[in-house]
Order: sequence, then C-alpha cells, then structure tokens
Amino acid sequence: GAGVSQSPSNKVTEKGKDVELRCDPISGHTALYWYRQSLGQGLEFLIYFQGNSAPDKSGLPSDRFSAERTGGSVSTLTIQRTQQEDSAVYLCASSLAGRNSPLHFGNGTRLTVT
Amino acid sequence: SQQGEEDPQALSIQEGENATMNCSYKTSINNLQWYRQNSGRGLVHLILIRSNEREKHSGRLRVTLDTSKKSSSLLITASRAADTASYFCATDYGQNFVFGPGTRLSVLP
Repeated sequence: GAGVSQSPSNKVTEKGKDVELRCDPISGHTALYWYRQSLGQGLEFLIYFQGNSAPDKSGLPSDRFSAERTGGSVSTLTIQRTQQEDSAVYLCASSLAGRNSPLHFGNGTRLTVT
Repeated sequence: SQQGEEDPQALSIQEGENATMNCSYKTSINNLQWYRQNSGRGLVHLILIRSNEREKHSGRLRVTLDTSKKSSSLLITASRAADTASYFCATDYGQNFVFGPGTRLSVLP
C-alpha cells in the first residue's frame, strides 16, 4: 500500500521567504510527527498530532514554525521568514496508534535556505 | 537531554562479519525501537522491543534490552554491503519519540 508521502522532495528558498511543506500520512494512521534532521545529525522532534487532541508543539524551535493537520489526515509545516539555520531535511512520520506503534517515515523534504 | 545515545558513532567492518551497535537512554521507557536510514532520507523501522522483553529477533537482526542498565544493543549477523547505513535507536518520551545521533555502519566488500 501507499506509504507516507512528502512534498516537495527538495525546496530551495531565499532567506526571509515563507515555505510550506506537506505530508500525506498512511490512511488510518491517527498519529503524525514532524522531525528535522541537519546534515549528519540525529532527528530533532518538532511537533506531534494524535487524532483530535491538541498537538504537542513543544519541539518547535521558534514562533516562525507552525503546523496544522486538516481533517485528521494531511499535515502542513509552515516556516515563516526562513533563515539559513532552517536548512535541513524535514521528515514526517505516521503511526497507527502513537507511542506503542512503529513510525513510518516519508522520504523527507530537503530545505535549503540561501 | 533525554536522548538515547548510540555507540559507536561509526563502525567499519568486512562483509560477512557481525556488527554490534549499542544504545543508552536516560528515562523509563515503554518500548525501544531501532531504525535504519540510507542516504540521509526516510528512516525504515527494524524492530520494536517492549520494556518487558529482553531479546527479540528478526532475520539477521537481534536486539537485546536491559532496562536495569537503560541500554539496548542491535546485532547484525553475517553483514552485507547493503547493510551500509545509519542506525538509530528511538525511545518513547511522553507522547513522542526521541532519537539518538545514530551509528554510521560501513560494510566493506
């Protein structure tokens, strides 16, 4: 079946511009996560959605970052006024039932801020 | 930091040899998972081991968990060039997962 889909796969933007990254989770998965990975580093948690509950936004690095999940499915991560330090691979993952289920990752969006 | 830490950071072995990677963590967990990442893109889930389990197998993979030491190990037996990748452990923390910095494994033909 279809896996987690992220778009675009690559995004180059100028410093100061806004960007939107999209994630289509696996159908039926109630939990959705966004992570960020800088070159050669581990994964940094950004935000977590579970069903209709309020999202856990504790990992968002600044108020320039926001995310929403519409209808319990597709999620959009928005970065406003991008900075060069925002350059990274942004990974989305979904799971069937939260923390006791494995995560299924998309291939990520590589964001480059020039 | 509540992160797990993998050890070693990098490992090079010959094809056919076994590879062992370790993960240490700091807080109580419900489960621990291992993932593989090729070419810096999406991660692939390998094994989930629950806190009440001590060992789990999947093909050439063997995972152990010692909750008293807050540590886990991943053993890959009879390694192949295709096993070359980064390997991450992830522990549940609250409602999300915390990943370590990973071990970069190179399997030389």
